[in-house]
Amino acid sequence: GAVVSQHPSWVICKSGTSVKIECRSLDFQATTMFWYRQFPKQSLMLMATSNEGSKATYEQGVEKDKFLINHASLTLSTLTVTSAHPEDSSFYICSPNFGTRGETQYFGPGTRLLVL
Amino acid sequence: GNSVTQMEGPVTLSEEAFLTINCTYTATGYPSLFWYVQYPGEGLQLLLKATKADDKGSNKGFEATYRKETTSFHLEKGSVQVSDSAVYFCALSDPSAGNKLTFGGGTRVLVKP
Repeated sequence: GAVVSQHPSWVICKSGTSVKIECRSLDFQATTMFWYRQFPKQSLMLMATSNEGSKATYEQGVEKDKFLINHASLTLSTLTVTSAHPEDSSFYICSPNFGTRGETQYFGPGTRLLVL
Repeated sequence: GNSVTQMEGPVTLSEEAFLTINCTYTATGYPSLFWYVQYPGEGLQLLLKATKADDKGSNKGFEATYRKETTSFHLEKGSVQVSDSAVYFCALSDPSAGNKLTFGGGTRVLVKP
């Protein structure tokens, strides 16, 4: 199966700082990357869809100025949580989209963010 | 819009018991359906999938059949093991929405020896 990596796997930061999460597709090219957030004991919620070379599309209720997404290449997408606050503490997961109907979605291992 | 509803957990079973997790969906198009599993401390892994009506997905002893008439995709396993303890997510992928995944709320399953 496809290999997706995320870095860092976990991060603890102070309130007000910014945190960058990298998502890499190691053995394929992803023109689109989905970013999800998962709060403890809850389901995954789609935050945004990043497209290589263009602006990301954000889901309703997700602040685009707070969650900056960059999809600079076909193998790298980044999510930056700006001016993080404790309520941003969550598990962030990326998932590349192959664009084919029924294609298996692969997920990164996730990044656990704790904002103090 | 699209939505997925699955039974709430936790579901606690004894080893070798029969497991069923109900999942129903609402979709405007013709979605593909998935079951994902999340083991403790790990990321999501695909368990099985079905791309059209009446398809049956199967893997590791788990099965689910795409029932268009009842808009369901129930997950079953005839004899669970302690290692099946995990959170199970039902999901749909809508090609008319760029293959975005819509997840159910997840069902935590605990299998006791």
